[in-house]
Amino acid sequence: AQKVTQAQTEISVVEKEDVTLDCVYETRDTTYYLFWYKQPPSGELVFLIRRNSFDEQNEISGRYSWNFQKSTSSFNFTITASQVVDSAVYFCALSEAGGAGSYQLTFGKGTKLSVIP
Amino acid sequence: DAGVIQSPRHEVTEMGQEVTLRCKPISGHDYLFWYRQTMMRGLELLIYFNNNVPIDDSGMPEDRFSAKMPNASFSTLKIQPSEPRDSAVYFCASRLGRINEQFFGPGTRLTVL
Repeated sequence: AQKVTQAQTEISVVEKEDVTLDCVYETRDTTYYLFWYKQPPSGELVFLIRRNSFDEQNEISGRYSWNFQKSTSSFNFTITASQVVDSAVYFCALSEAGGAGSYQLTFGKGTKLSVIP
Repeated sequence: DAGVIQSPRHEVTEMGQEVTLRCKPISGHDYLFWYRQTMMRGLELLIYFNNNVPIDDSGMPEDRFSAKMPNASFSTLKIQPSEPRDSAVYFCASRLGRINEQFFGPGTRLTVL
């Protein structure tokens, strides 16, 4: 069974600090996909990134970066120079083929990030 | 292109009433998902459709819940009769193909009194 663990329930940082959100996953499949979603206080779920299990290259998008390490089954998310607008709940998610090849999403419990001005 | 559209955005009803939530997926997407989010249980997948056909409804909590997708551009989630424990945010999401990301609607906040 697939599983996603986000051990950090809540994190508070002061604006302009860097912050890393941890995500550890479990899967028996060799082909799988990892995702991060952002849920700001307004409530919608915003897609941030998708990575496949064959691509371990780190990715950077502006102040956001992601570190994927298969050896430790981790897919961590770093925000550099955090801003108040980054305050949100961040979800890590995993999809794998499963019995029906459906690639359903399994979400972690989320990490609530508060950026203090 | 418009994203996933859900209506209503907020619904307040009394216990025992029927509730219908609506979703319009992104045009061209062939998968549609219904989720429920609560503080206690987080995000739970209720049911999903592929090409308008329900594939897995194992997450539907009880027979009081039902979902339909009569065509590629519309789906409903119905609760009859509603109970206070059904209070949650219900999200609809759609996806193109099997492996791509899901795009979520803004959600419907349901309160059952």
